[in-house]
Amino acid sequence: AQSVSQHNHHVILSEAASLELGCNYSYGGTVNLFWYVQYPGQHLQLLLKYFSGDPLVKGIKGFEAEFIKSKFSFNLRKPSVQWSDTAEYFCAAAVYAGGTSYGKLTFGQGTILTVHP
Amino acid sequence: ETGVTQTPRHLVMGMTNKKSLKCEQHLGHNAMYWYKQSAKKPLELMFVYNFKEQTENNSVPSRFSPECPNSSHLFLHLHTLQPEDSALYLCASSRLQGTDTQYFGPGTRLTVL
Repeated sequence: AQSVSQHNHHVILSEAASLELGCNYSYGGTVNLFWYVQYPGQHLQLLLKYFSGDPLVKGIKGFEAEFIKSKFSFNLRKPSVQWSDTAEYFCAAAVYAGGTSYGKLTFGQGTILTVHP
Repeated sequence: ETGVTQTPRHLVMGMTNKKSLKCEQHLGHNAMYWYKQSAKKPLELMFVYNFKEQTENNSVPSRFSPECPNSSHLFLHLHTLQPEDSALYLCASSRLQGTDTQYFGPGTRLTVL
């Protein structure tokens, strides 16, 4: 069965530190990849996505992610985090099912990021 | 504000109660989803509707019953739930099933006593 795994359950950083959150998916073939973020008390929202093209994707708030097909990875990065980045981050993947159809979106377990001022 | 609203935001119910969760999207999307978010577990897809037709039931117990009267509204009817059903229930929508970004509502925090 398809699965998405996130390496860290809880990451604690100080402001201005660099961030990298790991994400791996378990299946080959064409996939759409996403990072969602859930700030405290807020709804889940899209941070960035990769469908095709340049494997380095830039999202909102200075985040970026790199799709490395050979490693089945889609790690999220930010060079300098801020206190306001404190949130839970979810990686997700949808497998291409043929035609214009993709399968269901499968989420990782989430990584809680705490940034200390 | 994502254009997806959910009511109620919080719900406490007994195991013998019947209640319904409501989701409404104002984005003109054609696909709608119910997810369950439990502590320390990945977000679990429950149901998918595409153009009002159910296209996925992810082995969800029959005590959860979805309804999609039109592309803008989605309900989740609950009856004889168990305490382990306590979770955050999220609704999402997308332009088409599977291919597009999903937009999530704020969720309903459900507690089953």
